[in-house]
Amino acid sequence: AQSVTQLDSHVSVSEGTPVLLRCNYSSSYSPSLFWYVQHPNKGLQLLLKYTSAATLVKGINGFEAEFKKSETSFHLTKPSAHMSDAAEYFCVVSGGRSYIPTFGRGTSLIVHP
Amino acid sequence: ETGVTQTPRHLVMGMTNKKSLKCEQHLGHNAMYWYKQSAKKPLELMFVYSLEERVENNSVPSRFSPECPNSSHLFLHLHTLQPEDSALYLCASSQAGLAGGVNNEQFFGPGTRLTVL
Repeated sequence: AQSVTQLDSHVSVSEGTPVLLRCNYSSSYSPSLFWYVQHPNKGLQLLLKYTSAATLVKGINGFEAEFKKSETSFHLTKPSAHMSDAAEYFCVVSGGRSYIPTFGRGTSLIVHP
Repeated sequence: ETGVTQTPRHLVMGMTNKKSLKCEQHLGHNAMYWYKQSAKKPLELMFVYSLEERVENNSVPSRFSPECPNSSHLFLHLHTLQPEDSALYLCASSQAGLAGGVNNEQFFGPGTRLTVL
C-alpha cells in the first residue's frame, strides 16, 4: 500500500524568495518519488524523480528535492521563485508491482511580483 | 511527432452523443493511462493498460469505455455522458518493468478539455 500527502493546498511567495512545497509519503516498498508541474490548461511535466540513487535530487528550472527516509518526506524547494513558477505541483509515489502511481492532491504555487 | 499526443484538444458534446478521445505515444512505452482532472478535485485514475493487462478504477461509470489496440494507441469511448463528466482528460504513458510495477516517470499529453451540455 502507498499514499502521499501534500501538506499545503496553496503556497504564496514573493518573486525572488525561496519556495518550499511539502510532501510526505508512505509505502510498503522502496518507493520511487516524483514531482510534476502543471501550468494552466496543460498536461503534467516531470520536474524531478528519486529512484534510490542520490537522496538530493536536482530537477529542471532550478528545483530540487531531498528524500528523507526517516521523515518519510520528499519536499520540493527552489532558492528563488520566478513568476513563471506559478502553477500546480503534484507529488507522486510508486513502487512494488503496482502499475498505479499515487498522486497527491496538488499544491498551487502563487508568486507575487 | 514526439511524446504523447491527444486529439481532439477540445470537445463539446451533448448528453446523447457518442464520441471518442484518442491518445498516441511515440516513446516506445508499454503502459498507458487515462486520468480525469476536474476543477478542485484530485487527479483521478480511470484506466491503465500495461503489458497487456488492464486495470480499472471501479468507480468509473460504464459510459466510459477504454480501448487499447496496441501499445502506442489508447482510446476513450464516450456515450450518454452527464454534465458532471465535463473535465480535462489526460493521457499518459510510461515504461513498466518486466517484473511488474512502474518506477519510471509518466509522460503526459496536453489533455482533452471536454464539455458536456
